[in-house]
Amino acid sequence: NAGVTQTPKFQVLKTGQSMTLQCAQDMNHEYMSWYRQDPGMGLRLIHYSVGAGITDQGEVPNGYNVSRSTTEDFPLRLLSAAPSQTSVYFCASSRTGQGEAFFGQGTRLTVV
Amino acid sequence: GQQVMQIPQYQHVQEGEDFTTYCNSSTTLSNIQWYKQRPGGHPVFLIQLVKSGEVKKQKRLTFQFGEAKKNSSLHITATQTTDVGTYFCAGSGGYQKVTFGTGTKLQVIP
Repeated sequence: NAGVTQTPKFQVLKTGQSMTLQCAQDMNHEYMSWYRQDPGMGLRLIHYSVGAGITDQGEVPNGYNVSRSTTEDFPLRLLSAAPSQTSVYFCASSRTGQGEAFFGQGTRLTVV
Repeated sequence: GQQVMQIPQYQHVQEGEDFTTYCNSSTTLSNIQWYKQRPGGHPVFLIQLVKSGEVKKQKRLTFQFGEAKKNSSLHITATQTTDVGTYFCAGSGGYQKVTFGTGTKLQVIP
């Protein structure tokens, strides 16, 4: 049982480059979300989705896009990477938005 | 917007001492969850509290949800080196947005 799978695990980008962080879950969860984790700031919600075709902004959405074309996948796109986006990114899924969330292993992104 | 603060930010304890972290929300929560993140790892779910005044125990861990559903605490009795990590609370005022606390990083000195 894979749970939540994130790729890649590590990535280095140059300022201005774009990329997509992949997230897939095999638990048939409706709710998926993306967080970024920075030292001393906990986990901040970037975007979330309550089901296929439905997405909404979280606390820190600027510079990121998401889409949810299937229940399983919830990719996060960085449009034009900036050094301020250097962070660890976690994808999570849960059956509903209220219950236990399962996290992926994280993507450590460095923007130079 | 909803804000969830945790104190302390860091805590160093001698092995065998007790540890408590506190979580405070700016708004009333429908439920609160607690997660543990080991160094270099990802958050792992520990427990969820739903009812006002609820207390739950998991071995040496005791979780409490405040009467007003705006605060919560996690208490660890007789810490062990395996308790090292960062503990997060997470809450939502409704169905959709889950807000994580700032976390408490626990170091246990053998």
